[in-house]
Parts: sequence; structure tokens; C-alpha cells
Amino acid sequence: DTGVSQDPRHKITKRGQNVTFRCDPISEHNRLYWYRQTLGQGPEFLTYFQNEAQLEKSRLLSDRFSAERPKGSFSTLEIQRTEQGDSAMYLCASSLSGASLSNNEQFFGPGTRLTVL
Amino acid sequence: DAKTTQPNSMESNEEEPVHLPCNHSTISGTDYIHWYRQLPSQGPEYVIHGLTSNVNNRMASLAIAEDRKSSTLILHRATLRDAAVYYCILRGSISNFGNEKLTFGTGTRLTIIP
Repeated sequence: DTGVSQDPRHKITKRGQNVTFRCDPISEHNRLYWYRQTLGQGPEFLTYFQNEAQLEKSRLLSDRFSAERPKGSFSTLEIQRTEQGDSAMYLCASSLSGASLSNNEQFFGPGTRLTVL
Repeated sequence: DAKTTQPNSMESNEEEPVHLPCNHSTISGTDYIHWYRQLPSQGPEYVIHGLTSNVNNRMASLAIAEDRKSSTLILHRATLRDAAVYYCILRGSISNFGNEKLTFGTGTRLTIIP
């Protein structure tokens, strides 16, 4: 399967613990995005990378959240000192920047579902 | 960001056409209209996008009103696999910084009746 993969698919943790999620984008894609989705809502943008550079961060990304893409390939999203409000689906997407000004289709992974007890 | 308004839910019979509406009265002249859908337990997937003219692809058609204040996603023959949440999203030109992200609303949950 050459799509976007995320690991783990499910994570249950206790409040106050740190968690880290991994995203492997489609191999030739240079852009990588993180979104968060809570029940009944659409995904909300968190941050995105072009290659290894983090170019935009949402104000939703508090200082407990950090994302990296050290070699411009896979990315990690870490949440420190988790809170119950962090419970959500964390989605990763990737895309290829190119000649089109109208669209660079984002390909989403299946997500990591986080439950904070 | 310009806002979109969609019905919370719609139902359609299997093998019949489905018209999913989206209102975007504050759309700017450079905003593209994108549609994504999210099947159960999956991440969203791209469906179609357009600027002014109607668009067709293998998945769906997009009909855009002449004043661009509304659009309709058309599934020509719905199947059970089309049951999903459909999101209508406005997005500026990708060449401008800040237009990379997708801004999702709550979408329309489409139920297909066998």
C-alpha cells in the first residue's frame, strides 16, 4: 500500500502522560499536514511542513504540542502532559507541490485515535 | 476565511442521483470550491474542485452557480459506498501563502437507503 500511513491507529493514555504519533506520507510528497478531528466535527488544521520546514502552525497547537519532520520524510506529533480535551482523531495528510495553482490534493491517512483517561 | 453552509444530513435511495448543496455567499473572486468526503472510520478524500465552470470527473460533477454564491455536488448514481460526510471547502490559490490548509466545516452526512 503506497498511501499515507499512521502509527499507532489507537492510543489510550492517562492524563499527564506524553504521547507521540508517527505519520509516513506518500513517498514523493514534499508537503505534510496534521489535523485534529473531534466527534461530530470536521478536521481542524494544526500545522504543515514543506520538506523539513514547518511553515504554518495553528493557534490550536499549544506549547504542549510539537511536530517535527527531521528529514523531510516521516513526521512525528508529540503531545506532552496530555489532557482529557486532547482526546480526538489525529489525521495526517500529504501532498505534492506542483504547477497547479488551483489544487494540490491532500491525501489523508486513516488517523490515530487518542483517548485520554 | 469565507464560510460555507451545508445541510447537516441528507438521505438518498441507492442508484439514484444525489445533489448535495453548499452555500458560500461571501466567496471571493479567487476562491476555489473544493469537495472532500470522509467515509466511516477513514480520513477524508478529495472528490472534485472548480472555480467558475462546471466540472466533471470519475467520482462526481460540480455545478457552480453563475454568481458563485452556491454550488452543488452531484453523485450521478449513488451506491452504498457513497455513504459519507461530504465537506464543501473554499480555498484560495495555492500560490498564496496560507492557502495550503483545508478549512473543514461540519459537512453533510449522506445516508444511502438500499
